[in-house]
Amino acid sequence: DSGVTQTPKHLITATGQRVTLRCSPRSGDLSVYWYQQSLDQGLQFLIQYYNGEERAKGNILERFSAQQFPDLHSELNLSSLELGDSALYFCASSDQQGGSMDTGELFFGEGSRLTVL
Amino acid sequence: GQSLEQPSEVTAVEGAIVQINCTYQTSGFYGLSWYQQHDGGAPTFLSYNALDGLEETGRFSSFLSRSDSYGYLLLQELQMKDSASYFCAAILTGGGNKLTFGTGTQLKVEL
Repeated sequence: DSGVTQTPKHLITATGQRVTLRCSPRSGDLSVYWYQQSLDQGLQFLIQYYNGEERAKGNILERFSAQQFPDLHSELNLSSLELGDSALYFCASSDQQGGSMDTGELFFGEGSRLTVL
Repeated sequence: GQSLEQPSEVTAVEGAIVQINCTYQTSGFYGLSWYQQHDGGAPTFLSYNALDGLEETGRFSSFLSRSDSYGYLLLQELQMKDSASYFCAAILTGGGNKLTFGTGTQLKVEL
């Protein structure tokens, strides 16, 4: 158990709909990262937050947005869903902000599996 | 753009040694990490190299050569439970701890 909690574990919805994925980081971790993993694909970095502020942005679509709240939990909002958005969405956390002290160790949640029909 | 290339699949027998390679083309490279993922489960951290050379952690070792933009993960005394996907991931400098993952290698351990 990494200590990172993601809900829901599974979600089935229709094209055009909107969903919200939730992530609670490990206790004490200030950084939250979101990754997308499509079937048999690698992990695509979406976005990072540190202590409530957006810190880095990857290949995140304009239909997607995220935020980190004062209690450090984070939500990833996916709207106008398309079939191609079906994927595993992982949240990860670390206690590091970024920069030379990083060790590259992220703690991943079990993921939210989104199926768009 | 940023890219990290790995072999898509490697097969080895139980008890053997296997090496999974990773070549990268990135800007602002800081270090290389390795992660293990079983069947769509949560990726778990294995090792990290910021400096050139070999890092050993039990049965797993990881190597980095910055001059060659190359690294590898070495798994010794393979066990069936090592069957999983392995990802290298580059830590990129410049604004946040972006961890860019490689294409992934599926390791199959056979009897």
